[in-house]
Amino acid sequence: NAGVTQTPKFRILKIGQSMTLQCAQDMNHNYMYWYRQDPGMGLKLIYYSVGAGITDKGEVPNGYNVSRSTTEDFPLRLELAAPSQTSVYFCASTPRLAGGTYEQYFGPGTRLTVT
Amino acid sequence: AQTVTQSQPEMSVQEAETVTLSCTYDTSESDYYLFWYKQPPSRQMILVIRQEAYKQQNATENRFSVNFQKAAKSFSLKISDSQLGDAAMYFCAYKVQGAQKLVFGQGTRLTINP
Repeated sequence: NAGVTQTPKFRILKIGQSMTLQCAQDMNHNYMYWYRQDPGMGLKLIYYSVGAGITDKGEVPNGYNVSRSTTEDFPLRLELAAPSQTSVYFCASTPRLAGGTYEQYFGPGTRLTVT
Repeated sequence: AQTVTQSQPEMSVQEAETVTLSCTYDTSESDYYLFWYKQPPSRQMILVIRQEAYKQQNATENRFSVNFQKAAKSFSLKISDSQLGDAAMYFCAYKVQGAQKLVFGQGTRLTINP
């Protein structure tokens, strides 16, 4: 059971390039999330998904796109990288539990630098 | 809008002593959850402790306990018998019942002095 995995761990992009950050979980969790963490700050929600085929915007969705074709995978796409997207990106997942008390399981993060 | 505030950017404590990290939040909701996450240098986010707002009893997990003051909208984390491995960034987070979003505070960097 690998939990939540993210690739790559590090990436440097030039302005205007595009890339996809990969996220996968093997816990059969329904809910998945993408966060970004800017230096010295907490995490902010970019996009989330409550199941395959369903995605929704979080606090800071501009400049990003997501898809959820399977329960396991939730890739994050940057189409035209900008310096403001320099950040550490975390993927997380959680099971669908009655009661609402749940833990979000986080991946190890991807450090992205746009220059 | 819900906000979470951690007013202590940095804290330090001697090994084996006790330290308390502060967190306040702003909400008009009555059903919600509060969390403390630890982020060591490895960057991995690790859940330390959680509290349901409807529970009056403070949550405890081994050396970690919280002081939940619902009326004051305060949720502090107490670490007893501090260990070197406790050194990390600590984030307070809030979630409304039924909502998907976790709202994080800015974090407190905890240093443990040997």
